[in-house]
Amino acid sequence: KNEVEQSPQNLTAQEGEFITINCSYSVGISALHWLQQHPGGGIVSLFMLSSGKKKHGRLIATINIQEKHSSLHITASHPRDSAVYICAAQYNNNDMRFGAGTRLTVKP
Amino acid sequence: DTGVSQDPRHKITKRGQNVTFRCDPISEHNRLYWYRQTLGQGPEFLTYFQNEAQLEKSRLLSDRFSAERPKGSFSTLEIQRTEQGDSAMYLCASSLVGDGEQYFGPGTRLTVT
Repeated sequence: KNEVEQSPQNLTAQEGEFITINCSYSVGISALHWLQQHPGGGIVSLFMLSSGKKKHGRLIATINIQEKHSSLHITASHPRDSAVYICAAQYNNNDMRFGAGTRLTVKP
Repeated sequence: DTGVSQDPRHKITKRGQNVTFRCDPISEHNRLYWYRQTLGQGPEFLTYFQNEAQLEKSRLLSDRFSAERPKGSFSTLEIQRTEQGDSAMYLCASSLVGDGEQYFGPGTRLTVT
């Protein structure tokens, strides 16, 4: 069993829809990362958070430490948001454990 | 371009051959990580360096795999006697000590035929 679970695995949305991707982790962490991976492999860091909420443009990430759960929200989704979104739990030794990713497709 | 670079971007090799990949981190970053990603999965940790010291190795890193970072700058990952199961994307990332944010390279896609 993966230590980091994401849902859903695949998500198709219409342009403009509000999107939520969920991530659960099993043990205490020092930080939680949300990453974006486009076809071809390049990974971009979207957020690193250890508590509360962060916002960047149309992206919002939240984390609930007690429930060991994080969510990534995309408001007013756009076809260019289509990518794989990966949640990663970072532990105190800098070790990272990644979720399997959520493949998002936003249709025009 | 001051990001993380990896070379080559693609490698096709026959089973049993040795391959070596290179990663050049962001210049002031003292931590360097190697990950492997198979299709449909998230990256899996392989190993990481702080400067030239290899501080941690995953159990995934069999004795056919070796990584070096001789001068604390670029790193190489060598796979000896490649097997078809080694086919994957090999990702490198770098960071500063104390700063958890990792910056990823574009990856090297290995295909073992």
